[in-house]
Amino acid sequence: DAKTTQPNSMESNEEEPVHLPCNHSTISGTDYIHWYRQLPSQGPEYVIHGLTSNVNNRMASLAIAEDRKSSTLILHRATLRDAAVYYCILRDKVATNFGNEKLTFGTGTRLTIIP
Amino acid sequence: GAVVSQHPSRVICKSGTSVKIECRSLDFQATTMFWYRQFPKQSLMLMATSNEGSKATYEQGVEKDKFLINHASLTLSTLTVTSAHPEDSSFYICSARDNLRGGYGYTFGSGTRLTVV
Repeated sequence: DAKTTQPNSMESNEEEPVHLPCNHSTISGTDYIHWYRQLPSQGPEYVIHGLTSNVNNRMASLAIAEDRKSSTLILHRATLRDAAVYYCILRDKVATNFGNEKLTFGTGTRLTIIP
Repeated sequence: GAVVSQHPSRVICKSGTSVKIECRSLDFQATTMFWYRQFPKQSLMLMATSNEGSKATYEQGVEKDKFLINHASLTLSTLTVTSAHPEDSSFYICSARDNLRGGYGYTFGSGTRLTVV
């Protein structure tokens, strides 16, 4: 899996939008961009993924740069329950479809929400 | 959605004993499951890939004789930490993906916190 770079930590005020950046300058044309988050003392949970176009779901939005070398996870209105470590992971499209490729986690961004 | 159940959620064992951790896919079949270990304030480190009906694939540096993995059915994989020592104390997490229903996300168990005393 190609390498991603994320800030170690970020803070945001409650009920404010949060933009979590991820750099992936060595991304290949077949790499999906995945985001997972891990709440304290829990296993990670899937947040969102995308390939080229921006994506929205009930949890978040994913904005992907035109050259795909960076992306931003957007939490539109942060709550205290969004405090977690957020991981940006690249996954090969072919491997993803096959379904048994391992996920390699980087260090992630620890998001702190200030009440 | 897909659910992965991990048991126990926490366990304390004496040094030198063995501990078994179970990972079950509750509403889907998983030919492949993954086992991770996470030390405090660190990221998840993949230990091994568990394959139904065949031997697990271990990551470099992970002792296969110490961390025994069995994937005897399409819904159950077990990790046994043999002759546990305090340095094995960690948060162990399994994951799997529902290949039949598609989607691209992996589902993770809630983790097992192992403390060896």
